Amino acid sequence: GENVEQHPSTLSVQEGDSAVIKCTYSDSASNYFPWYKQELGKRPQLIIDIRSNVGEKKDQRIAVTLNKTAKHFSLHITETQPEDSAVYFCAASWDGVTGGGNKLTFGTGTQLKVEL
Amino acid sequence: GAVVSQHPSWVICKSGTSVKIECRSLDFQATTMFWYRQFPKQSLMLMATSNEGSKATYEQGVEKDKFLINHASLTLSTLTVTSAHPEDSSFYICSALMDAGVFGTDTQYFGPGTRLTVL
Repeated sequence: GENVEQHPSTLSVQEGDSAVIKCTYSDSASNYFPWYKQELGKRPQLIIDIRSNVGEKKDQRIAVTLNKTAKHFSLHITETQPEDSAVYFCAASWDGVTGGGNKLTFGTGTQLKVEL
Repeated sequence: GAVVSQHPSWVICKSGTSVKIECRSLDFQATTMFWYRQFPKQSLMLMATSNEGSKATYEQGVEKDKFLINHASLTLSTLTVTSAHPEDSSFYICSALMDAGVFGTDTQYFGPGTRLTVL
């Protein structure tokens, strides 16, 4: 099955700096890579996603890059703000209808702390 | 749009009792829902895939007789933790899969989670 590794486990940055979180996946069949933000005791919130036919996607301060050959993808947050502090999870899946399609395998999470 | 609810938000029960958790997609139909378990400071671990009108598919290591899943309608899936024990205490989160059609990407929307504490 799919295995997703995520680094770093904790990340502290100063407000206004950039933050980068990296993930690698093992299953070359995976073609969908979402990123979730989870605040303590809350549900994961989808913040950005990318499909395997695209190398980069950006949404305001958030961007995701994907390297299919190397099987890794990264989350980039620019101009970080204190409200960005949370746990971020990457995930991978493939969008098949059967045989385990759409099952998300999550990374281990990154605790991001944005300091004033 | 794409709202998923869970009930209850938290529950405390005695060891040996059973607890039912409901997951509802409020504004879309979901033939597929997922159940996850999350221990403190850990990632989400998929327990099972819930399919409307058919049996759930359980991940390796998850006891299907202990975690009963029923997906009786296109908007409701239930997880029953039978004979709960303290080690079952965890944060249980469901998600509902929104079908994006042939040319889109199906997206999972998560419920708010249920905190289960077994005494």
